[in-house]
Amino acid sequence: DAGVTQSPTHLIKTRGQHVTLRCSPISGHKSVSWYQQVLGQGPQFIFQYYEKEERGRGNFPDRFSARQFPNYSSELNVNALLLGDSALYLCASSIRTSGRNSYNEQFFGPGTRLTVL
Amino acid sequence: AQRVTQPEKLLSVFKGAPVELKCNYSYSGSPELFWYVQYSRQRLQLLLRHISRESIKGFTADLNKGETSFHLKKPFAQEEDSAMYYCAPTPPLLGYNDMRFGAGTRLTVKP
Repeated sequence: DAGVTQSPTHLIKTRGQHVTLRCSPISGHKSVSWYQQVLGQGPQFIFQYYEKEERGRGNFPDRFSARQFPNYSSELNVNALLLGDSALYLCASSIRTSGRNSYNEQFFGPGTRLTVL
Repeated sequence: AQRVTQPEKLLSVFKGAPVELKCNYSYSGSPELFWYVQYSRQRLQLLLRHISRESIKGFTADLNKGETSFHLKKPFAQEEDSAMYYCAPTPPLLGYNDMRFGAGTRLTVKP
């Protein structure tokens, strides 16, 4: 298994445009999470999806949206791009969602580097 | 406000020296605490989880609830320990879905 895969690896957009990032989880994993990592900072949680339903959302504006498909792959969409959206976007998968009292290790992908000009 | 602080952006030690990477958090309740590591040109990966009380690659992490700290320690650093290390306390009320990462410390172990 190649692990979590993300596409594209790099992307350059201009302000106001829209972008779609893609993630394929490890085979057998049903949960996908998205993180934004701005240069010099740690990853920040954006969304978590499990069984095609949103299970968690971080403190991001409505310009950010995501979905999960029946094969458990996921897309992250960002509308009306701002310069501040430039970051590395990480996807992580786990076997199932983690709740308040249960933890499932997340496995991270290599990320998509988004540059907004 | 819930915060995670890794006070050192850069840390450099010589091979064989002890190393301590600091992490402080401010959460109400008792978060669960994780350390993640990213080696050069590799993916972010879990290093250890405090509840497991394991030693991974010679690293241990002690939770100090009084000081709200979760420092990562290794008695004898090796060159292959050079990497970016992230502390990630997870607010208990939000569950493990919402990982909160610190800004990271870049550890360099010199020969």
